[in-house]
Amino acid sequence: DAGITQSPRHKVTETGTPVTLRCHQTENHRYMYWYRQDPGHGLRLIHYSYGVKDTDKGEVSDGYSVSRSKTEDFLLTLESATSSQTSVYFCAISDSVRSAGANNEQFFGPGTRLTVL
Amino acid sequence: AQTVTQSQPEMSVQEAETVTLSCTYDTSESDYYLFWYKQPPSRQMILVIRQEAYKQQNATENRFSVNFQKAAKSFSLKISDSQLGDAAMYFCAYRILYGGATNKLIFGTGTLLAVQP
Repeated sequence: DAGITQSPRHKVTETGTPVTLRCHQTENHRYMYWYRQDPGHGLRLIHYSYGVKDTDKGEVSDGYSVSRSKTEDFLLTLESATSSQTSVYFCAISDSVRSAGANNEQFFGPGTRLTVL
Repeated sequence: AQTVTQSQPEMSVQEAETVTLSCTYDTSESDYYLFWYKQPPSRQMILVIRQEAYKQQNATENRFSVNFQKAAKSFSLKISDSQLGDAAMYFCAYRILYGGATNKLIFGTGTLLAVQP
C-alpha cells in the first residue's frame, strides 16, 4: 500500500470554527489531491497540488484553502466551517501525469470523517 | 465537461453468482482512462481495474472484467464467482489521458453491491 496517512481520522466541530486536515505521504510523489465524498455525488475534487507551493482549485473549492510547504504534506483548511462541509475527505497522491500506465495511478488515503454541527 | 453516470444505486447478488455494474460517461476526448474503484465499509478506496481507451481489448483482473464499448461510451464491470468480500460501494471514474497538472478523476455516484450468502 502507498504510504499515505490522514489526520485526524474523525473530527466533530462547530459551525464557524477553523479546521485543518492533514495529508502526509512517504512516497515522494509530486501530485497531491483533496476530494470530498458525499452521498449522491461520489468524490469531487476540492484542490490539488503539482509541487511544493504550487496549488490550484478543483470543482468544489469554495470555503476551502490548501497549502503545501513540503513535498510530503498537503493541508486542507476550512477557515470557518459550515454544516455543508460535513463530509468524508480523501487525500490522494500521484507520481506522474504525463506517462501512461501504472505510475499514473492515484493512491488514496484512509479518509477523514468531518462533522460540522 | 466530462460526466460519469452510474444508474444503479444498489445491486444485490448471490454468493458465487455473476453480477454486472453499469457505467456510462460523456466526453469529447479520444484518449482517456476509465477505472473501477471499490470502497468497502473501511472507506479505503481500492483500485479494482483500469482500462485505457486506446486499447480495444477489455481489461481483466482475476474475477473482475470490464465490457468497454467506446462508441457507446459504456464501461460495465462484471464480477464473477461473487464472494462475501466483494460487498462494497463501487465507483466508476474517468480521467483524461494527459490531463496536465490536474490529472483529476471524475467519479460516478456509486453502486452499493450487497452479496447474499
